[in-house]
Amino acid sequence: EAGVAQSPRYKIIEKRQSVAFWCNPISGHATLYWYQQILGQGPKLLIQFQNNGVVDDSQLPKDRFSAERLKGVDSTLKIQPAKLEDSAVYLCASSSLDSTQYFGPGTRLTVL
Amino acid sequence: AQSVTQLGSHVSVSEGALVLLRCNYSSSVPPYLFWYVQYPNQGLQLLLKYTSAATLVKGINGFEAEFKKSETSFHLTKPSAHMSDAAEYFCAVSDGSSASKIIFGSGTRLSIRP
Repeated sequence: EAGVAQSPRYKIIEKRQSVAFWCNPISGHATLYWYQQILGQGPKLLIQFQNNGVVDDSQLPKDRFSAERLKGVDSTLKIQPAKLEDSAVYLCASSSLDSTQYFGPGTRLTVL
Repeated sequence: AQSVTQLGSHVSVSEGALVLLRCNYSSSVPPYLFWYVQYPNQGLQLLLKYTSAATLVKGINGFEAEFKKSETSFHLTKPSAHMSDAAEYFCAVSDGSSASKIIFGSGTRLSIRP
């Protein structure tokens, strides 16, 4: 069974630029999560999808972050414009009915 | 509200020694509890999970954890550390519903001395 796929693995941009990350969850997993992991901290949930609907986006900075999962499968997370404090690893995870979350390798974003 | 506290941001043990990583949780409902491991430049991998069945949970790579409701703890142990165990370990809690949110602790970095 293929795991959660993410791309790109690394991205370096300058502040005020925009960036997008892509995630393809494990086949059949209805729930998809995006996390932000700042160096030295645990992952923090940004947004959770159930199929193509948003379940929880309470911690998503909506003035600059957006996410979509249009067909209920893969998802994109966008930051526009980026700030220095957005430098972090962005993790995607998916889960099925047993609620166990499986994580992708993450995208390391550096904002200069 | 749920939360997790990991005691000790960095633990160092000798190869072959006992590994003990501490985790205490707070939850208003019966919790699901998880331990994840993260190797450098990789995503999180599930080590083990507690879902209200047996209180002693065995996971991969020789790790186990015991759920103690009276102490609100879920400490991770391994009898004999191996060099390959060096990584970041995260304790996490959820309410167990099918689309539930997981709350992660701040992590404990485990170093292994030769």
